[in-house]
Amino acid sequence: NAGVTQTPKFRILKIGQSMTLQCAQDMNHNYMYWYRQDPGMGLKLIYYSVGAGITDKGEVPNGYNVSRSTTEDFPLRLELAAPSQTSVYFCASAHTEAFFGQGTRLTVV
Amino acid sequence: TQLLEQSPQFLSIQEGENLTVYCNSSSVFSSLQWYRQEPGEGPVLLVTVVTGGEVKKLKRLTFQFGDARKDSSLHITAAQPGDTGLYLCAATPFNKFYFGSGTKLNVKP
Repeated sequence: NAGVTQTPKFRILKIGQSMTLQCAQDMNHNYMYWYRQDPGMGLKLIYYSVGAGITDKGEVPNGYNVSRSTTEDFPLRLELAAPSQTSVYFCASAHTEAFFGQGTRLTVV
Repeated sequence: TQLLEQSPQFLSIQEGENLTVYCNSSSVFSSLQWYRQEPGEGPVLLVTVVTGGEVKKLKRLTFQFGDARKDSSLHITAAQPGDTGLYLCAATPFNKFYFGSGTKLNVKP
């Protein structure tokens, strides 16, 4: 049982480049979330989804976009990378508790 | 303004000591959750408290939900190096998982 799978684990981007962080879950959860975590800090909610085709903004959505075409997948898109987006990104799916992937460590230089 | 305020932000203690960390809010919640995050990993659920005044024990960890359901505490008895990690409280208003800023605990042998 894989749970929540995130790819890639590490990535270095140049300022202005774009990328998509992938997230897949196999628990058939309707709710999925993207967070960013800066060093030593808690988790800030970027976007969330309550089911396929439905997404909404969290606390810090600027500079990011998401889509949810299937129950399993919830990719996060960075269009024009900026140094302020250097962080660790976590995807989670939930029913009554949140299950997290192992994170993507992104550095923008 | 954070929805959930955690204190202290950092805690460094010797093995065998007791400690308490706090999670406070001005909002009322139907439940609160506590997660622990180890370096390089996503957070993992420890407990969910759902009733005002509720006390739950998980081995040496004792969790309490405030009577007014606005705050919670986590008490660790006789801390061990294996307790080292980031402790996060979480609330789920409107199906969004919001996390506090966390308490980073270091237990020295």
